[in-house]
Amino acid sequence: GQNIDQPTEMTATEGAIVQINCTYQTSGFNGLFWYQQHAGEAPTFLSYNVLDGLEEKGRFSSFLSRSKGYSYLLLKELQMKDSASYLCAAYSSASKIIFGSGTRLSIRP
Amino acid sequence: DARVTQTPRHKVTEMGQEVTMRCQPILGHNTVFWYRQTMMQGLELLAYFRNRAPLDDSGMPKDRFSAEMPDATLATLKIQPSEPRDSAVYFCASGTGGNEKLFFGSGTQLSVL
Repeated sequence: GQNIDQPTEMTATEGAIVQINCTYQTSGFNGLFWYQQHAGEAPTFLSYNVLDGLEEKGRFSSFLSRSKGYSYLLLKELQMKDSASYLCAAYSSASKIIFGSGTRLSIRP
Repeated sequence: DARVTQTPRHKVTEMGQEVTMRCQPILGHNTVFWYRQTMMQGLELLAYFRNRAPLDDSGMPKDRFSAEMPDATLATLKIQPSEPRDSAVYFCASGTGGNEKLFFGSGTQLSVL
């Protein structure tokens, strides 16, 4: 079976750093996606990790540990526009992409 | 600017009616996914295709849902008969397979009364 867990909601302060965690259990694991979804809009791609380690892309970084079934998304220098849901998704065998329920991030001034 | 096109954007219908949602993937993309999103369940995978062939539709209620790709430029998701519990946003997404990211359409907001 497949299972993806991430916190339902998080709150952070503008200018600060926040880490959103994701744990997964899936057979035939190939990689881990992170998507951002603003209210009323479609998800948009943020990152994809295949190998263990941290990948940095501007203010956003994503980490993967395949042995622990764990990933996190790190957002630095938070801005109000970062208020959104962040979806973790596992890419498994047979090209299947399963999403977690998402973490709703609220940024306060 | 290549994008996935979904129609209709909004659909309000009565219980028991047939609903057909359409998706035009990005030209050249060979994988198409259908997802359903609700507040309670998040993004649920309904079905997906590669090179127009269905790979997995185990996420769909088979008795009322059907998904097809009549050609490379069109994917359809049909509900017959529709029920109030089908009310959700239905997203189509396309990609090039392998480790490529998915591009999502704007979704169809379905309300079944």
